[in-house]
Amino acid sequence: EAGVAQSPRYKIIEKRQSVAFWCNPISGHATLYWYQQILGQGPKLLIQFQNNGVVDDSQLPKDRFSAERLKGVDSTLKIQPAKLEDSAVYLCASSFQGPNGYTFGSGTRLTVV
Amino acid sequence: AQSVTQLGSHVSVSEGALVLLRCNYSSSVPPYLFWYVQYPNQGLQLLLKYTTGATLVKGINGFEAEFKKSETSFHLTKPSAHMSDAAEYFCAVTHGSSNTGKLIFGQGTTLQVKP
Repeated sequence: EAGVAQSPRYKIIEKRQSVAFWCNPISGHATLYWYQQILGQGPKLLIQFQNNGVVDDSQLPKDRFSAERLKGVDSTLKIQPAKLEDSAVYLCASSFQGPNGYTFGSGTRLTVV
Repeated sequence: AQSVTQLGSHVSVSEGALVLLRCNYSSSVPPYLFWYVQYPNQGLQLLLKYTTGATLVKGINGFEAEFKKSETSFHLTKPSAHMSDAAEYFCAVTHGSSNTGKLIFGQGTTLQVKP
């Protein structure tokens, strides 16, 4: 079974620039999550999709972050404009249903300079 | 609201010694509890999880954890540390009776294994 695919693996941008991350979940997984992991901290949920609908985006900074999951499969997370404090690893995860079959991707490490 | 506290941001043990990583949780509903390991520049790998049933849970790489409801704890242990166990470990909790699956993570514990 293929895992959760994320790209790019690394990204360095200047503050105020925009950036986008891509995630391809495990086939058949209806739920997709984006987590932000700041250095030295545990991951924090940014947004959760069930198929192509948003279940929870309460901790997504909506003035600069956006995410979509077209057709209930792939997802993109965008930051515009980026701030220094957005430097983190962005982890995508998917699950069959709720906590069942939860699988994380390798993440995208973003550095904002 | 749910929360997780991992006691000790850094733990150092000698190779062959007992590993004990502490995790306490707060939850007003029956929790599902998880331990994940993260190696440098990699994603999170599930070590073990507790959902229902037996409170002593065995995971991969010789790790196990015991759910103690009275102590609201889910400590991770391994009888004999190996150099390859050096990594970051995260305890997480989610709502046990919901399908949302949102994980609440602790701040992590870095395990150092000395030769």
